[in-house]
Amino acid sequence: NAGVMQNPRHLVRRRGQEARLRCSPMKGHSHVYWYRQLPEEGLKFMVYLQKENIIDESGMPKERFSAEFPKEGPSILRIQQVVRGDSAAYFCASSPTVPDTQYFGPGTRLTVL
Amino acid sequence: GENVEQHPSTLSVQEGDSAVIKCTYSDSASNYFPWYKQELGKRPQLIIDIRSNVGEKKDQRIAVTLNKTAKHFSLHITETQPEDSAVYFCAASKRTGGYNKLIFGAGTRLAVHP
Repeated sequence: NAGVMQNPRHLVRRRGQEARLRCSPMKGHSHVYWYRQLPEEGLKFMVYLQKENIIDESGMPKERFSAEFPKEGPSILRIQQVVRGDSAAYFCASSPTVPDTQYFGPGTRLTVL
Repeated sequence: GENVEQHPSTLSVQEGDSAVIKCTYSDSASNYFPWYKQELGKRPQLIIDIRSNVGEKKDQRIAVTLNKTAKHFSLHITETQPEDSAVYFCAASKRTGGYNKLIFGAGTRLAVHP
Protein backbone atom coordinates (compact mmCIF):
# COMPACT_ATOMS: atom_id res chain seq x y z
CA ASN A 1 0.00 0.00 0.00
CA ALA A 2 1.74 3.13 -1.21
CA GLY A 3 1.91 6.03 1.19
CA VAL A 4 0.58 9.52 0.66
CA MET A 5 2.12 10.97 -2.49
CA GLN A 6 2.77 14.62 -3.20
CA ASN A 7 4.20 16.32 -6.23
CA PRO A 8 6.17 18.20 -7.06
CA ARG A 9 8.57 17.83 -4.16
CA HIS A 10 10.15 21.18 -4.88
CA LEU A 11 8.55 24.09 -6.70
CA VAL A 12 10.08 27.45 -7.54
CA ARG A 13 7.87 30.29 -8.64
CA ARG A 14 8.36 33.99 -9.24
CA ARG A 15 6.13 36.50 -7.56
CA GLY A 16 2.77 36.73 -9.30
CA GLN A 17 2.85 33.21 -10.77
CA GLU A 18 0.55 30.37 -9.84
CA ALA A 19 1.52 27.31 -7.82
CA ARG A 20 -0.31 23.98 -8.04
CA LEU A 21 0.41 21.35 -5.45
CA ARG A 22 -0.91 17.81 -5.79
CA CYS A 23 -1.69 15.19 -3.19
CA SER A 24 -2.73 11.58 -3.73
CA PRO A 25 -4.03 10.04 -0.51
CA MET A 26 -3.34 6.49 0.58
CA LYS A 27 -5.53 3.87 -1.01
CA GLY A 28 -8.82 3.64 0.80
CA HIS A 29 -8.47 7.04 2.46
CA SER A 30 -11.26 9.49 1.78
CA HIS A 31 -10.16 12.36 4.04
CA VAL A 32 -7.49 14.84 2.97
CA TYR A 33 -5.96 17.60 5.06
CA TRP A 34 -3.52 20.30 3.98
CA TYR A 35 -1.04 21.90 6.38
CA ARG A 36 1.57 24.61 5.92
CA GLN A 37 4.90 24.67 7.69
CA LEU A 38 6.93 27.85 7.72
CA PRO A 39 10.69 27.49 8.33
CA GLU A 40 11.49 26.54 11.92
CA GLU A 41 7.78 26.43 12.84
CA GLY A 42 5.08 23.87 13.46
CA LEU A 43 2.40 22.78 11.04
CA LYS A 44 -0.69 24.93 10.63
CA PHE A 45 -3.99 23.51 9.46
CA MET A 46 -5.27 24.96 6.21
CA VAL A 47 -8.15 22.92 4.83
CA TYR A 48 -9.95 19.60 5.14
CA LEU A 49 -11.63 17.94 2.19
CA GLN A 50 -13.57 14.83 1.33
CA LYS A 51 -14.24 13.71 -2.22
CA GLU A 52 -15.80 16.65 -4.09
CA ASN A 53 -16.41 18.59 -0.87
CA ILE A 54 -14.56 21.22 1.13
CA ILE A 55 -15.55 20.57 4.72
CA ASP A 56 -13.39 23.03 6.67
CA GLU A 57 -11.27 25.77 5.11
CA SER A 58 -10.94 27.86 8.26
CA GLY A 59 -7.12 27.84 8.10
CA MET A 60 -6.81 28.90 4.51
CA PRO A 61 -6.26 32.55 3.52
CA LYS A 62 -9.43 33.97 1.99
CA GLU A 63 -7.69 35.27 -1.10
CA ARG A 64 -5.43 33.57 -3.63
CA PHE A 65 -5.71 30.10 -2.05
CA SER A 66 -8.11 27.38 -3.12
CA ALA A 67 -8.33 23.62 -2.76
CA GLU A 68 -10.22 20.81 -4.37
CA PHE A 69 -10.52 17.04 -4.14
CA PRO A 70 -12.31 15.86 -7.28
CA LYS A 71 -14.09 12.56 -7.68
CA GLU A 72 -11.22 11.30 -9.80
CA GLY A 73 -7.60 12.32 -9.34
CA PRO A 74 -5.52 13.94 -6.65
CA SER A 75 -6.35 16.77 -4.31
CA ILE A 76 -5.03 20.11 -5.54
CA LEU A 77 -3.93 23.11 -3.50
CA ARG A 78 -3.73 26.14 -5.74
CA ILE A 79 -2.04 29.41 -4.87
CA GLN A 80 -2.58 32.27 -7.29
CA GLN A 81 -0.30 35.31 -7.61
CA VAL A 82 2.25 33.93 -5.17
CA VAL A 83 4.17 36.25 -2.86
CA ARG A 84 7.41 35.66 -0.97
CA GLY A 85 5.46 35.00 2.23
CA ASP A 86 3.96 31.91 0.59
CA SER A 87 7.37 30.20 0.68
CA ALA A 88 6.92 27.20 2.95
CA ALA A 89 6.57 23.45 3.01
CA TYR A 90 3.05 22.29 2.23
CA PHE A 91 2.08 18.90 3.57
CA CYS A 92 -1.02 16.92 2.91
CA ALA A 93 -2.23 14.12 5.13
CA SER A 94 -4.88 11.50 4.62
CA SER A 95 -6.89 9.38 6.97
CA PRO A 96 -9.19 6.42 6.45
CA THR A 97 -12.94 6.37 6.69
CA VAL A 98 -12.69 6.59 10.46
CA PRO A 99 -10.87 9.91 10.62
CA ASP A 100 -8.34 9.60 13.38
CA THR A 101 -4.80 8.77 12.43
CA GLN A 102 -3.41 11.07 9.77
CA TYR A 103 -0.56 9.96 7.54
CA PHE A 104 1.55 12.66 5.97
CA GLY A 105 2.99 12.95 2.52
CA PRO A 106 6.59 14.03 1.86
CA GLY A 107 5.58 17.64 1.32
CA THR A 108 6.06 20.21 -1.42
CA ARG A 109 8.64 22.86 -0.69
CA LEU A 110 7.56 26.06 -2.40
CA THR A 111 10.08 28.81 -2.93
CA VAL A 112 8.90 32.15 -4.25
CA LEU A 113 11.62 34.31 -5.77
CA GLY B 1 -9.58 28.80 19.31
CA GLU B 2 -7.61 25.72 20.24
CA ASN B 3 -4.01 26.31 21.21
CA VAL B 4 -1.22 23.85 21.96
CA GLU B 5 1.93 24.89 23.77
CA GLN B 6 5.02 22.70 23.69
CA HIS B 7 8.14 22.76 25.88
CA PRO B 8 11.06 22.79 25.68
CA SER B 9 11.82 24.14 22.23
CA THR B 10 15.23 22.44 22.24
CA LEU B 11 16.46 19.49 24.25
CA SER B 12 19.94 18.04 24.36
CA VAL B 13 20.65 14.71 26.06
CA GLN B 14 23.39 12.12 26.21
CA GLU B 15 22.85 8.78 24.56
CA GLY B 16 21.11 6.45 26.97
CA ASP B 17 19.43 9.21 28.95
CA SER B 18 15.68 9.83 28.96
CA ALA B 19 13.97 12.72 27.21
CA VAL B 20 10.65 14.27 28.19
CA ILE B 21 8.63 16.71 26.10
CA LYS B 22 5.51 18.37 27.50
CA CYS B 23 2.45 19.89 25.85
CA THR B 24 -0.60 21.70 27.16
CA TYR B 25 -3.82 22.28 25.29
CA SER B 26 -6.58 24.80 25.76
CA ASP B 27 -9.75 23.10 24.53
CA SER B 28 -11.09 20.69 27.12
CA ALA B 29 -13.11 18.96 24.38
CA SER B 30 -9.91 17.70 22.72
CA ASN B 31 -9.87 13.92 22.69
CA TYR B 32 -7.04 12.78 20.43
CA PHE B 33 -3.34 13.49 20.97
CA PRO B 34 -0.76 12.25 18.45
CA TRP B 35 3.00 12.75 18.47
CA TYR B 36 4.97 13.14 15.25
CA LYS B 37 8.69 12.89 14.59
CA GLN B 38 10.13 14.93 11.74
CA GLU B 39 13.67 14.51 10.50
CA LEU B 40 15.27 17.29 8.51
CA GLY B 41 13.58 17.69 5.15
CA LYS B 42 11.29 14.72 5.72
CA ARG B 43 7.61 14.18 6.36
CA PRO B 44 6.16 14.11 9.89
CA GLN B 45 5.82 10.50 10.99
CA LEU B 46 3.37 9.35 13.63
CA ILE B 47 5.23 7.68 16.47
CA ILE B 48 2.50 7.27 19.07
CA ASP B 49 -0.95 8.60 19.84
CA ILE B 50 -3.36 8.52 22.76
CA ARG B 51 -7.06 9.03 23.13
CA SER B 52 -8.77 10.77 26.01
CA ASN B 53 -10.17 7.58 27.50
CA VAL B 54 -6.63 6.35 28.23
CA GLY B 55 -4.15 7.82 30.71
CA GLU B 56 -0.97 6.21 29.44
CA LYS B 57 0.28 4.31 26.42
CA LYS B 58 3.62 2.68 25.82
CA ASP B 59 5.40 1.35 22.74
CA GLN B 60 8.88 0.00 23.43
CA ARG B 61 11.06 3.00 24.37
CA ILE B 62 8.31 5.54 23.82
CA ALA B 63 5.46 6.37 26.18
CA VAL B 64 2.83 9.07 26.32
CA THR B 65 0.88 10.19 29.38
CA LEU B 66 -2.28 12.28 29.45
CA ASN B 67 -3.69 14.34 32.30
CA LYS B 68 -7.14 15.52 31.19
CA THR B 69 -7.77 17.51 34.35
CA ALA B 70 -4.65 19.58 33.88
CA LYS B 71 -4.97 19.49 30.09
CA HIS B 72 -1.46 18.35 29.46
CA PHE B 73 0.25 15.38 27.88
CA SER B 74 3.86 14.30 27.68
CA LEU B 75 6.16 12.20 25.52
CA HIS B 76 8.79 10.09 27.24
CA ILE B 77 11.67 8.52 25.36
CA THR B 78 13.90 6.18 27.35
CA GLU B 79 17.37 4.92 26.47
CA THR B 80 17.75 7.57 23.80
CA GLN B 81 19.83 6.83 20.70
CA PRO B 82 21.43 9.19 18.16
CA GLU B 83 18.77 8.21 15.62
CA ASP B 84 16.15 9.70 17.95
CA SER B 85 17.53 13.12 17.03
CA ALA B 86 14.77 15.00 15.22
CA VAL B 87 12.03 17.57 15.76
CA TYR B 88 9.06 16.24 17.70
CA PHE B 89 5.59 17.74 17.41
CA CYS B 90 2.63 17.18 19.66
CA ALA B 91 -0.89 17.82 18.44
CA ALA B 92 -4.41 17.89 19.80
CA SER B 93 -7.75 17.54 18.13
CA LYS B 94 -11.40 16.90 18.79
CA ARG B 95 -13.69 15.04 16.51
CA THR B 96 -15.94 17.69 15.00
CA GLY B 97 -18.49 16.72 12.36
CA GLY B 98 -16.70 13.43 11.85
CA TYR B 99 -13.14 14.62 11.32
CA ASN B 100 -10.08 15.65 13.33
CA LYS B 101 -8.35 18.95 12.70
CA LEU B 102 -4.90 18.69 14.24
CA ILE B 103 -3.56 21.69 16.15
CA PHE B 104 0.19 21.34 16.46
CA GLY B 105 2.66 22.57 19.01
CA ALA B 106 5.66 24.53 17.82
CA GLY B 107 7.99 21.54 18.06
CA THR B 108 10.93 20.35 20.15
CA ARG B 109 14.32 19.88 18.55
CA LEU B 110 15.89 16.86 20.28
CA ALA B 111 19.61 16.24 19.95
CA VAL B 112 21.03 12.97 21.29
CA HIS B 113 24.80 13.07 21.66
CA PRO B 114 26.84 9.86 21.49
